[in-house]
Amino acid sequence: EVQLVESGGGLVKPGGSLRLSCAASGFTFSSYSMNWVRQAPGKGLEWVSSISSSSSYIYYADSVKGRFTISRDNAKNSLYLQMNSLRAEDTAVYYCARVGTIRNAFDIWGQGTMVTVSS
Amino acid sequence: DIQMTQSPSAMSASVGDRVTITCRASQGISNYLAWFQQKPGKAPKRLIYAASSLQSGVPSRFSGSGSGTEFTLTISSLQPEDFATYYCLQHNSYPYTFGQGTKLEIK
Repeated sequence: EVQLVESGGGLVKPGGSLRLSCAASGFTFSSYSMNWVRQAPGKGLEWVSSISSSSSYIYYADSVKGRFTISRDNAKNSLYLQMNSLRAEDTAVYYCARVGTIRNAFDIWGQGTMVTVSS
Repeated sequence: DIQMTQSPSAMSASVGDRVTITCRASQGISNYLAWFQQKPGKAPKRLIYAASSLQSGVPSRFSGSGSGTEFTLTISSLQPEDFATYYCLQHNSYPYTFGQGTKLEIK
């Protein structure tokens, strides 16, 4: 079964750090770009970051640039999001999603992991 | 950045109704447009890719059309399980951007 499973969410104080993980299974992880998308409580979806299959190309939303770092380990079939200098407005459910060709862009999503930034 | 303007933001409809949701891109995105359905507490589910291609397993009452800057998602005959929030997404260029969402409620 093709699957993405996020982990690492939790409660963190403003200014703190957290590292999210996304474990992939059932497909050739190293062939796909991977993305993080978040959703604040009661709000819409926001694209956060993207990393190409070989990590050569990395992109961030302006709202997280300089604070978040996306990375991947193709040997471990895993995607990561290192989140530093967290703010209250980073509170959201964070999803990982794969992108290959236009045919399978954002076709598979994880279940999400909740990040709460609060004192 | 490409802005995606989705309308309406909310609507109410009845079972059996035909419903159309629109997304307009601030610049051309070819057909790099996907539509998603999201139910409370769940991850988004892709319905349409490449603007008009139906995701495998999605009922044929869902259809997408458009290219360039204007796109539509149509549900031909609403079913009870279709009441949810719908989003469009452009993935033509970074930063990728979602529409604001359309909450479809039962009349």
